[in-house]
Amino acid sequence: KAGVTQTPRYLIKTRGQQVTLSCSPISGHRSVSWYQQTPGQGLQFLFEYFSETQRNKGNFPGRFSGRQFSNSRSEMNVSTLELGDSALYLCASSLVPSGGYNEQFFGPGTRLTVL
Amino acid sequence: AQTVTQSQPEMSVQEAETVTLSCTYDTSESDYYLFWYKQPPSRQMILVIRQEAYKQQNATENRFSVNFQKAAKSFSLKISDSQLGDAAMYFCAYRSPNQAGTALIFGKGTTLSVSS
Repeated sequence: KAGVTQTPRYLIKTRGQQVTLSCSPISGHRSVSWYQQTPGQGLQFLFEYFSETQRNKGNFPGRFSGRQFSNSRSEMNVSTLELGDSALYLCASSLVPSGGYNEQFFGPGTRLTVL
Repeated sequence: AQTVTQSQPEMSVQEAETVTLSCTYDTSESDYYLFWYKQPPSRQMILVIRQEAYKQQNATENRFSVNFQKAAKSFSLKISDSQLGDAAMYFCAYRSPNQAGTALIFGKGTTLSVSS
């Protein structure tokens, strides 16, 4: 069974631009969560989608948004990029909404660099 | 709000030796879940081991085991018979009781190096 895939793996943008990252969960998984990883802040939760509905949202500005399609693939969008948005963006999938003991499977991440 | 603290930014161990990574957390909840994730240089996070707070017995997975001290809010990871492939960043994570859409709260991580 294929794992979680994220595209693109690397991305370079300039300040003010917008960017869209994609995540394809493991086949059959309906929940996708997004995390931002930076050296300073560590891993921080962005949001989670389950069956095309946002279930939970972290403490990020409205420039960060996401959506999920009927095939469970998810995209996250960052508008008006800032230097501080440079990070590794990880997505994780699970069969059911993340919670409790449920295991989430992580993708390899998208490395975003903002110049 | 819950917080997770990993006080050791870096640790090192020799092959075949045992190493313990520390993790403490702060919560007012009585029931919760704790996890250790491994992030190798490839950056793909892998679940190493997990523990349910209401279970007193410490979880074990092959060479990996935890020492869960609920009263002290401590959740350390012990790696026995360390291997070169264990070199990675290790993250301790907390999750609140089973609610749909509950996120993992991560510590800042411990980088483990393994020497031959």
